[in-house]
Amino acid sequence: ETGVTQSPTHLIKTRGQQVTLRCSSQSGHNTVSWYQQALGQGPQFIFQYYREEENGRGNFPPRFSGLQFPNYSSELNVNALELDDSALYLCASSLVGSGAETQYFGPGTRLLVL
Amino acid sequence: KQEVTQIPAALSVPEGENLVLNCSFTDSAIYNLQWFRQDPGKGLTSLLLIQSSQREQTSGRLNASLDKSSGRSTLYIAASQPGDSATYLCAAPNTGNQFYFGTGTSLTVIP
Repeated sequence: ETGVTQSPTHLIKTRGQQVTLRCSSQSGHNTVSWYQQALGQGPQFIFQYYREEENGRGNFPPRFSGLQFPNYSSELNVNALELDDSALYLCASSLVGSGAETQYFGPGTRLLVL
Repeated sequence: KQEVTQIPAALSVPEGENLVLNCSFTDSAIYNLQWFRQDPGKGLTSLLLIQSSQREQTSGRLNASLDKSSGRSTLYIAASQPGDSATYLCAAPNTGNQFYFGTGTSLTVIP
């Protein structure tokens, strides 16, 4: 167990809907990153938040947005869902500045868009 | 942009064999590299983190090496067991600690 939790575990939506995924970071971690993992692929970096500010973004459109809260929990929001958004969404927390910045992953949220 | 490649894509070995998984990356200006394990439908479990100043890290039957100059890392698993069956992913960060992953090596250890 990494101490990183995600909710919900599974979710089914239809095309065009909006979805919010949640992540609770490991205690004391100041950074959260979100990844999308399509079936049979490695995780793709979506964005990262450091102390409530976006700190880098991968090649994802603006309909993917996020928030990090003062307690370092985080949300990933996806608007106007498309079929290709079906994937496992992973969040990872780390303590930037610790010198050994291992990322600790949550179990993921599996999203199916119909 | 960092590109990470892992070979082989899949590997099947009998129990007890020693094996090597390979990872290559295009941008050698990394400051660490991390190996993960992923069981089907699950999240990622960190196995080993190698800092750029290190050449290898060991944890139990696992040993990971890093050669920045050649853009390569290897994960060595000694005396493989059926419980080692999983997908193994390597990840290299850019300067913002944003990890770029390979597509993984799917390992099956046959009893």
